[in-house]
Amino acid sequence: GEDVEQSLFLSVREGDSSVINCTYTDSSSTYLYWYKQEPGAGLQLLTYIFSNMDMKQDQRLTVLLNKKDKHLSLRIADTQTGDSAIYFCAESKTGFQKLVFGTGTRLLVSP
Amino acid sequence: NAGVTQTPKFRILKIGQSMTLQCTQDMNHNYMYWYRQDPGMGLKLIYYSVGAGITDKGEVPNGYNVSRSTTEDFPLRLELAAPSQTSVYFCASSYPDRGHSNQPQHFGDGTRLSIL
Repeated sequence: GEDVEQSLFLSVREGDSSVINCTYTDSSSTYLYWYKQEPGAGLQLLTYIFSNMDMKQDQRLTVLLNKKDKHLSLRIADTQTGDSAIYFCAESKTGFQKLVFGTGTRLLVSP
Repeated sequence: NAGVTQTPKFRILKIGQSMTLQCTQDMNHNYMYWYRQDPGMGLKLIYYSVGAGITDKGEVPNGYNVSRSTTEDFPLRLELAAPSQTSVYFCASSYPDRGHSNQPQHFGDGTRLSIL
């Protein structure tokens, strides 16, 4: 079955690093995504990782994948108040575009 | 650069009324999707389409209908609105995957629908 879980809330201070975690159950998942949703807006793709990778870095974002434990994390370095949003983890299979989303983690960055 | 456009942005319906949520994309994407997002939850797939004339059910299709007569448009129809359909509805589109080439989904800004 398909299930994606995330913690609901994370609070950090501006300038600190944020780490948002996600676990998934479908071992055949091939693509794992991180989306950002700001208030009143749609989902914005931040980054994604292919399942044969362990890590992907994109500017302030670092994605780590532990395929054995089915654990995905998103690290945001030097977190800014503009990073406050809901972050969704999602998975899909190769050639098959149905996304399964987690419940989202609300990140609050305080000055 | 419009991307995925959804109308209306907000709507209040009475129980039993019907309405159509509009979605259009200008990126020539084959794949289009409708999701609903309930408070504190992730997105659930309602229907999707892999091309004009082809639609298929997602995870939560009951109470909804879709059609795909053109590549650009993918309207979602509620025939008999029920309070359980109060939600935020998102439309998305993408190219189909080509082997290992990832084709991410692009989302509209959503339609906030309340059924009273």
